[in-house]
Amino acid sequence: EDKVVQSPLSLVVHEGDTVTLNCSYEVTNFRSLLWYKQEKKAPTFLFMLTSSGIEKKSGRLSSILDKKELSSILNITATQTGDSAIYLCATLPYFGNEKLTFGTGTRLTIIP
Amino acid sequence: GAVVSQHPSWVICKSGTSVKIECRSLDFQATTMFWYRQFPKQSLMLMATSNEGSKATYEQGVEKDKFLINHASLTLSTLTVTSAHPEDSSFYICSPQEGSNSPLHFGNGTRLTVT
Repeated sequence: EDKVVQSPLSLVVHEGDTVTLNCSYEVTNFRSLLWYKQEKKAPTFLFMLTSSGIEKKSGRLSSILDKKELSSILNITATQTGDSAIYLCATLPYFGNEKLTFGTGTRLTIIP
Repeated sequence: GAVVSQHPSWVICKSGTSVKIECRSLDFQATTMFWYRQFPKQSLMLMATSNEGSKATYEQGVEKDKFLINHASLTLSTLTVTSAHPEDSSFYICSPQEGSNSPLHFGNGTRLTVT
């Protein structure tokens, strides 16, 4: 059975701090790993990672995939209160329907 | 970016009634539609996958006669929760897919409360 595990489950930091969120996976036919941010409603897409070792950046957020370690990290620098959310990672298989397997999520809280 | 419209955003219904949730892709054609459910403090769990014009494929443990999915066109899919019970209270999210290898987009979700 495919498994995606995120750590930590929750994290509380002060505004301005840098955080690193972890995602590890054990899936068959792995193609890509995706990161999402979920506030009160549905997840919003952040990154899609397919190649190992290539960092993707968007503003203060960056992410990288390590296929050898079957893991990915999401970094947020200079955190702001608006970064408070649940961060979800999910894996996408290579064949068949594009069925995402989600991790448990990391609840990030930024204290002003 | 892709726009997905999901309605209603919240609904309260009595036990035993049916609720229909609509999901539309407004600026792309969704060949595949995923329906997820999210219980409080838990992650998203896939309920079913449907391709336009075909029967949906349900995940293990999801009753196909209870959660009716219709994907009649490339821009509209519906999920009907039949004879709803309090344990069906959850956050339901649709995710239409335009093509392979495209980041999956999500509707804003429907919070269902069954009393």
